[in-house]
This record gives sequence, C-alpha cells and structure tokens, in this order.
Amino acid sequence: DTEVTQTPKHLVMGMTNKKSLKCEQHMGHRAMYWYKQKAKKPPELMFVYSYEKLSINESVPSRFSPECPNSSLLNLHLHALQPEDSALYLCASSQRLGGNGDLAPQHFGDGTRLSIL
Amino acid sequence: GQQVMQIPQYQHVQEGEDFTTYCNSSTTLSNIQWYKQRPGGHPVFLIQLVKSGEVKKQKRLTFQFGEAKKNSSLHITATQTTDVGTYFCAGPGNQGGKLIFGQGTELSVKP
Repeated sequence: DTEVTQTPKHLVMGMTNKKSLKCEQHMGHRAMYWYKQKAKKPPELMFVYSYEKLSINESVPSRFSPECPNSSLLNLHLHALQPEDSALYLCASSQRLGGNGDLAPQHFGDGTRLSIL
Repeated sequence: GQQVMQIPQYQHVQEGEDFTTYCNSSTTLSNIQWYKQRPGGHPVFLIQLVKSGEVKKQKRLTFQFGEAKKNSSLHITATQTTDVGTYFCAGPGNQGGKLIFGQGTELSVKP
C-alpha cells in the first residue's frame, strides 16, 4: 500500500473538459511533486512545492495548473488538454526539499492514468 | 544540461541468472538514488548512496557508488520473477528537490 494517495486512478476527458487530479499524504512531508510519465520512459518533473509554495515549474504549459491548499494536499487542474498529454501522472512527496545537491527519498502515489480524447 | 545515462535499456534473463544495470554521469554526483517500478505500478525508493566507493546490500541487491562519484551500479544475484520491473537511477538536479532520472533498465525474468 502506498502512503501517497492519488485520485482518480483513471480519467478519460475530452479536449474541452476541465478536471482535477488530487494527491494526499499524511506523512508530514513538506515537499510535494507532480510528474508526468509516458510509457517506457522515466518520470518527467512538472512542479515542485515546498512548504505549500511553488518552488519549481519545469516550463509546463498553462493548461496544467497546480495548487497546494495545505501541507497534505496537492492538486493538478487540467483544462483544454491535448492528446499528447495522455500519460500517467504521478504525485510524490518527500520529507524535505533538499538543496545543494542533497536528495531526500521521494514517495510516489499509484498515479492517475489520463487519456485525452 | 545535466544527464544521467543508464544502460542497458532492456535485459532479459533466465530465473537464477544475475543482472546488472549501470548509471553514468558526466559530472560528479553528490549522491544517487535507485528506484524500482513494477509493471503498471509506481516508482518505489530502494536506496540512496552518498559516499565515494560506497557499497550497500539489500538481500540479493548490491548497490555501488563509484570512487569518482560519477557512476553507480545495481547488481541482482540469482534473479527471481519478483524482480521484474524497471530500475531507475536518479541524481540531483540543479535545483533543490529536482531528480534527474536515468532512462531506466527494464528487467524481464523468464521462469
């Protein structure tokens, strides 16, 4: 069982729809992440939050909008997505952000499998 | 930009055979992490290596960090079908919290 919970597990949406992905962790972690993963590829970082503030935006298109309402929750709002946005979206958390080359282990959720029609 | 190269991309072994995946970086890494992702699953943290020349073992898995801290390897002794999955190495990026993943090595084990 994963300690990072993501909902929904699967999502099919049209290009004009608006939907949200949700992520929750209760490990007291202060850093949370969104990744996009295509089949047979490594996870690709999208956003990083540290202490509920956006720390990294990897030049993600504005049709993806992250939100961190509190230290346990992370949302990803989706609007006007394109077929190439179909992928597995993974949320992760870590105890701290790390810095100066320091790394903290990241705990991943099961992901949301997103299909854009 | 920063890159972590990982080889091989795929490895097919007979159950009981050994398996090794290698990661290389053009720059010195302060530390490196390893993750395993089962088919249809999510990445799971395995281990972090920090010291030059460090060797850590987890049952049949042996992780090494090179003396120059530019390469790392994961070796599995006597593979089992439960070892199936993709193994990723990951090093620190240029911003706090950023992981640079290798391309992964997909391991399949024939019983």
